[in-house]
Amino acid sequence: GNSVTQMEGPVTLSEEAFLTINCTYTATGYPSLFWYVQYPGEGLQLLLKATKADDKGSNKGFEATYRKETTSFHLEKGSVQVSDSAVYFCALGNNNDMRFGAGTRLTVKP
Amino acid sequence: GAGVSQSPSNKVTEKGKDVELRCDPISGHTALYWYRQRLGQGLEFLIYFQGNSAPDKSGLPSDRFSAERTGESVSTLTIQRTQQEDSAVYLCASSLASGTYNEQFFGPGTRLTVL
Repeated sequence: GNSVTQMEGPVTLSEEAFLTINCTYTATGYPSLFWYVQYPGEGLQLLLKATKADDKGSNKGFEATYRKETTSFHLEKGSVQVSDSAVYFCALGNNNDMRFGAGTRLTVKP
Repeated sequence: GAGVSQSPSNKVTEKGKDVELRCDPISGHTALYWYRQRLGQGLEFLIYFQGNSAPDKSGLPSDRFSAERTGESVSTLTIQRTQQEDSAVYLCASSLASGTYNEQFFGPGTRLTVL
């Protein structure tokens, strides 16, 4: 079946530090991969996506590359800001079946 | 423009009571999803509506859970004879069409607490 496993949190970083949040998946066929973000007090919103192998999704300085060989879609940002503090969810979409990871809470301190 | 709205934002109920949760999707969005998020866990798919097609109910955890959607507008999720393990945040999302390439827009959720 389809499933997503992402790095457990919480993660606490200082401003301008490098961020990696790991995400691996199990799927049949050719899924699309997503990162969603939930800022404090707000609903989930799409951060970035990749629809096929080797695609790189990017937005707001965040990047993730769809790696079929390692079944991974790790989220990275070179220099985090306090405003990036949020919960990040890795997700997999296969036809109409969407699967989400448990979420990773990121706190960035000034 | 208006996003996905959900009501109530919080609901506290006693074990055994029925509850009804409402979702107003973005106008024109044909696909609507319900998810459950227990504390510290990921989103658990419950049910999916696409246009006038029969809904995908494969994620509903028991027959106490049901959902309806009127055309391509409002949806209600009903939980009968609530149990303490039903306590969670219930999220609704809508998208322009079905399929995994279409971004889902989420509502703020309804936090349900069953005492």
